[in-house]
Amino acid sequence: GAVVSQHPSRVICKSGTSVKIECRSLDFQATTMFWYRQFPKQSLMLMATSNEGSKATYEQGVEKDKFLINHASLTLSTLTVTSAHPEDSSFYICSARAQGVPMNTEAFFGQGTRLTVV
Amino acid sequence: GEDVEQSLFLSVREGDSSVINCTYTDSSSTYLYWYKQEPGAGLQLLTYIFSNMDMKQDQRLTVLLNKKDKHLSLRIADTQTGDSAIYFCARGGGGNKLTFGTGTQLKVEL
Repeated sequence: GAVVSQHPSRVICKSGTSVKIECRSLDFQATTMFWYRQFPKQSLMLMATSNEGSKATYEQGVEKDKFLINHASLTLSTLTVTSAHPEDSSFYICSARAQGVPMNTEAFFGQGTRLTVV
Repeated sequence: GEDVEQSLFLSVREGDSSVINCTYTDSSSTYLYWYKQEPGAGLQLLTYIFSNMDMKQDQRLTVLLNKKDKHLSLRIADTQTGDSAIYFCARGGGGNKLTFGTGTQLKVEL
């Protein structure tokens, strides 16, 4: 099946620094990618929808200046956590849906990135 | 309350059937999904059901949908230790968005 690769799988950074997380669709073109955040023992919270070639659509309560999303190509979306704080520590997961497919097809998920801000 | 709710934890013995339940409030979704998440990993789609169906069976998995009660369940027959994971139900929404349930941790004991 289709593969979505997320990198890095784990990252530790200092407070105040920025961290970039990449999400790549390896064998299909994804016009839309989704970024989720998952707190321990909780559900996935949709942060934003990333559309290739246009600005991301952020969910209510998600700071767009703090979580910068870039979807420069049909196979790559990046999430940059700027000026990271310990409360940004979380598990971030991306998903991608192939171009032009209906909702009954699979949204493929990356393996997630565990971010720890110290 | 939450849009999509699940019980937090389920423990079963190996070989028994597991039934994971999910309730939702928004009935406009066309598709409902079940995902599996193993520790430290992303989500794997297990199965989905179209909203005009009552039941769907796929090998050891059986999905039941009661639209009137807005209740979705996933039955895993002959549960194995490899089935231990967190299971999320999700409903599809506008813009290809998925709204996830709170997740049910399934523990399979020998």
